[in-house]
Amino acid sequence: AQSVTQPDIHITVSEGASLELRCNYSYGATPYLFWYVQSPGQGLQLLLKYFSGDTLVQGIKGFEAEFKRSQSSFNLRKPSVHWSDAAEYFCAVGAGTYKYIFGTGTRLKVLA
Amino acid sequence: GAGVSQSPSNKVTEKGKDVELRCDPISGHTALYWYRQSLGQGLEFLIYFQGNSAPDKSGLPSDRFSAERTGGSVSTLTIQRTQQEDSAVYLCASSLEVNQPQHFGDGTRLSIL
Repeated sequence: AQSVTQPDIHITVSEGASLELRCNYSYGATPYLFWYVQSPGQGLQLLLKYFSGDTLVQGIKGFEAEFKRSQSSFNLRKPSVHWSDAAEYFCAVGAGTYKYIFGTGTRLKVLA
Repeated sequence: GAGVSQSPSNKVTEKGKDVELRCDPISGHTALYWYRQSLGQGLEFLIYFQGNSAPDKSGLPSDRFSAERTGGSVSTLTIQRTQQEDSAVYLCASSLEVNQPQHFGDGTRLSIL
């Protein structure tokens, strides 16, 4: 069965530090992969997506993610975190159809 | 253009009452999705519409839940005889077509007293 694991429930970083949020998936074929961000009281905003091609994808707000097939991972990175990045981040796999499987999220806290 | 619009943004109701949640997708998006986000949980898929038809209702948790979409646009999620475990944020998303990225509304926060 398809699944998505985000092993870190909470992460705290200092403003200006680098960030990496982990995502591992289980899927039999090449998946569609997504990262979304959710600020309090709001819906999910798409940060970036991987469908095929270049395994390093660039997204909005300075985020990037790298698809590693051998590790079944799609980790999200940002070289320098801003206080406004504090939010909850969700990784999702699109199992070749309409149905997205979401991870349980990683809540990011940014220290001034 | 406008994003996905959901109403109401918050709904508080008594146990046993019926509620209707509305979703207005991005204009031109043929696919529409409902998810439920419970406290501390990820997103749980409920139902998917392609046009006005719902090929997959498998995520609806019980027969108290139903949804419809009219005119290939607005969708309504109805919960009958609400229970406390129905308390959650209900998120709607739409996409231009199936397999295109889903764009989410801000959700309806439902609280059952």
